[in-house]
Amino acid sequence: QQQVKQSPQSLIVQKGGISIINCAYENTAFDYFPWYQQFPGKGPALLIAIRPDVSEKKEGRFTISFNKSAKQFSLHIMDSQPGDSATYFCAASIAGYALNFGKGTSLLVTP
Amino acid sequence: GAGVSQSPSNKVTEKGKDVELRCDPISGHTALYWYRQSLGQGLEFLIYFQGNSAPDKSGLPSDRFSAERTGGSVSTLTIQRTQQEDSAVYLCASSPQRGGGTGELFFGEGSRLTVL
Repeated sequence: QQQVKQSPQSLIVQKGGISIINCAYENTAFDYFPWYQQFPGKGPALLIAIRPDVSEKKEGRFTISFNKSAKQFSLHIMDSQPGDSATYFCAASIAGYALNFGKGTSLLVTP
Repeated sequence: GAGVSQSPSNKVTEKGKDVELRCDPISGHTALYWYRQSLGQGLEFLIYFQGNSAPDKSGLPSDRFSAERTGGSVSTLTIQRTQQEDSAVYLCASSPQRGGGTGELFFGEGSRLTVL
């Protein structure tokens, strides 16, 4: 059973646009919500993470929005660049243990 | 090196053969995870080692899969009698401690397994 549902599966955005990826979860015990970025042939790397006591976290062009009541969180990439083209995974866990990953979103930013 | 090292990077085997995949975690990291990445299926948790505690094997898909971690460092994932559905990228990750405070996992580049 997929504990974290991620959408869309793929996304094409023009350079300078906003990329938005959404995730939903069911387990209310989850208390840690990271996003990982993966380039072809590489392992995933932590991009940004949030805990449920805040509704938004911003790091540079990347923002996580968190809606605890809806059990949803999303990644926004502002001013998307071709170098942002990668696969993005959302995840959720309890105390950072055994991350449950979404199925991933393949993002392509066109020049 | 400073990162998580996995070998081999690519492995092609015949159905029914056994394979071993190796992971060298970042020095000092006490937690080690194995994940499986199949096309369109995201990252599937397989097994978790934390220090000297008994491993959490709850994600292993069948008894053909096993893993060990020697001396709290290097880990080997073994798949016996490989099947075509075992074809995937097997990713190892380490973390400084359980949850690592931030829960950050440091992944290797993976071992791509192809079962013919």
